[in-house]
Amino acid sequence: KNEVEQSPQNLTAQEGEFITINCSYSVGISALHWLQQHPGGGIVSLFMLSSGKKKHGRLIATINIQEKHSSLHITASHPRDSAVYICAVSEETSGSRLTFGEGTQLTVNP
Amino acid sequence: KAGVTQTPRYLIKTRGQQVTLSCSPISGHRSVSWYQQTPGQGLQFLFEYFSETQRNKGNFPGRFSGRQFSNSRSEMNVSTLELGDSALYLCASSLPRWDFDNEQFFGPGTRLTVL
Repeated sequence: KNEVEQSPQNLTAQEGEFITINCSYSVGISALHWLQQHPGGGIVSLFMLSSGKKKHGRLIATINIQEKHSSLHITASHPRDSAVYICAVSEETSGSRLTFGEGTQLTVNP
Repeated sequence: KAGVTQTPRYLIKTRGQQVTLSCSPISGHRSVSWYQQTPGQGLQFLFEYFSETQRNKGNFPGRFSGRQFSNSRSEMNVSTLELGDSALYLCASSLPRWDFDNEQFFGPGTRLTVL
């Protein structure tokens, strides 16, 4: 079993829909990261959080430390949101080393 | 501020050769981490350098090595290349602080193909 599990693996939505991607982890962490990867490979850090909730434009990330679970929400989705979304954790004992989930391929159709 | 840069962006090598990849972090960032991304294994941590010292290492064979220079630029080297080393190699830089975790800023990656 992977230390970081994401669901779903693939997600197709219509423009304007509300989207949720989930991430569960099994290790003690110092922080959880949500990353976005577009075709071609470049990775962008969307959020880094260790508690509560963060919002950036149409993106919202939440984390429940007790349940070891995080969600990434996209409101009013747009075709330009199509990308792979990756959950990663910094383990308590590993400093800045990241352990990654397998990613969620999101496709938003116009 | 310029982002993380990696050179070269694309590389084709043959089995048995060695390769050196370069990463220049964001100005002021002193920590550089390297990651390998393959379709089969996903993203995996290779190693992290801070102040010219390897601070953390992933589960990769000794053929994978790295170093960091005094200006924080980092290189990674893979010797005796195997077909399975074909991957996207990403580096990420961050401002290391000891009281909380650090956001990492990723470079565009070097796509290595081993024939």
